[in-house]
Amino acid sequence: GAGVSQTPSNKVTEKGKYVELRCDPISGHTALYWYRQSLGQGPEFLIYFQGTGAADDSGLPNDRFFAVRPEGSVSTLKIQRTERGDSAVYLCASSLTTSTEAFFGQGTRLTVV
Amino acid sequence: ELKVEQNPLFLSMQEGKNYTIYCNYSTTSDRLYWYRQDPGKSLESLFVLLSNGAVKQEGRLMASLDTKARLSTLHITAAVHDLSATYFCAVGWGVNTDKLIFGTGTRLQVFP
Repeated sequence: GAGVSQTPSNKVTEKGKYVELRCDPISGHTALYWYRQSLGQGPEFLIYFQGTGAADDSGLPNDRFFAVRPEGSVSTLKIQRTERGDSAVYLCASSLTTSTEAFFGQGTRLTVV
Repeated sequence: ELKVEQNPLFLSMQEGKNYTIYCNYSTTSDRLYWYRQDPGKSLESLFVLLSNGAVKQEGRLMASLDTKARLSTLHITAAVHDLSATYFCAVGWGVNTDKLIFGTGTRLQVFP
């Protein structure tokens, strides 16, 4: 596609539920990143994929958060037992390879009620 | 741990004026990025600075990087209302990763 695509654009879920957020990177981009942006803050790094493997997951806040990229293209961020504090905009970015310019998707606004 | 600080956090300026946004970071890096974010929107890449002394210009915006001082600046020349947005600097960090550590952002408002 022309850019990084994220679905859904908005997600409202109840506390304790499980959610999946999808990211479709720019075609041919091997590097994929997930960030989380809270209101009034800069994005915070969550996890980085190079190809199919998670090369750096140091930003995942706890074991309720997990991400996969099984075929080296689309990635899914999974959040178990959601909490109200998980409410934020989740941004996905992709780049051609490591250390090249990253392009961001429109984000998924997650609201946990 | 890498820290990235921007100042000012909020900037209200009159059209036609000049101003500079500063981005300081705490650990050595030679990859510095500037992004623009409009309310409710995602991040738009403005500049990629990859070496000491790099300077890039696009329209009324000019960005520079001093890796020795760990400082990047975003200079605004003759501001116009369309520049109103939040501007983030981000430092690329890591050996086999290019995760970005973002500053807190500078919210710019340009008024007539």
